[in-house]
Amino acid sequence: DAGVIQSPRHEVTEMGQEVTLRCKPISGHDYLFWYRQTMMRGLELLIYFNNNVPIDDSGMPEDRFSAKMPNASFSTLKIQPSEPRDSAVYFCASSFTGNGYTFGSGTRLTVV
Amino acid sequence: DQQVKQNSPSLSVQEGRISILNCDYTNSMFDYFLWYKKYPAEGPTFLISISSIKDKNEDGRFTVFLNKSAKHLSLHIVPSQPGDSAVYFCAASGGSGTYKYIFGTGTRLKVLA
Repeated sequence: DAGVIQSPRHEVTEMGQEVTLRCKPISGHDYLFWYRQTMMRGLELLIYFNNNVPIDDSGMPEDRFSAKMPNASFSTLKIQPSEPRDSAVYFCASSFTGNGYTFGSGTRLTVV
Repeated sequence: DQQVKQNSPSLSVQEGRISILNCDYTNSMFDYFLWYKKYPAEGPTFLISISSIKDKNEDGRFTVFLNKSAKHLSLHIVPSQPGDSAVYFCAASGGSGTYKYIFGTGTRLKVLA
């Protein structure tokens, strides 16, 4: 089992550009979560899906953020336009029946 | 508004001694608590959990204690080892959003050899 796979590992972009982060969950897992890690707020839940359907997006900071899960094996988190304050490490996690998260290695985003 | 708080950003402990990491929560609906461990450049990994029906759960060198009246939990590591040096996140779930974990800000533990 390859675990949860996130790409890219690092992303540096200029302010105003669109950024797309990608996640492949563990096969068979029915929940997918997007978290953001910052020093001030720790791990913040942005959005989560159950069976590809968004369940709770109350953590998405602004309309600039959007997430999709077109099928059970792929999800994206998009920021458009990006701002320097979006710089953080973004984690994707998946689980079966909502218990026992497995996290990916994260994407470190730097917006300059 | 932080529902899960880890007030100590860092902690240093000598190898072989006990490490105690603390966590406080505000939401009385939380009924399941977890600790995750994170090494640099890796995702968090599950360490230990406890349900609100218990006040203690032990797994080898790791023990989690839950004090529901104080809305407080702690992680004890005995004896501490240099490989335990990592960031530890406390998390909680329950109530209306059972399947989402609310994490704290983390505590960086450094075990000195």
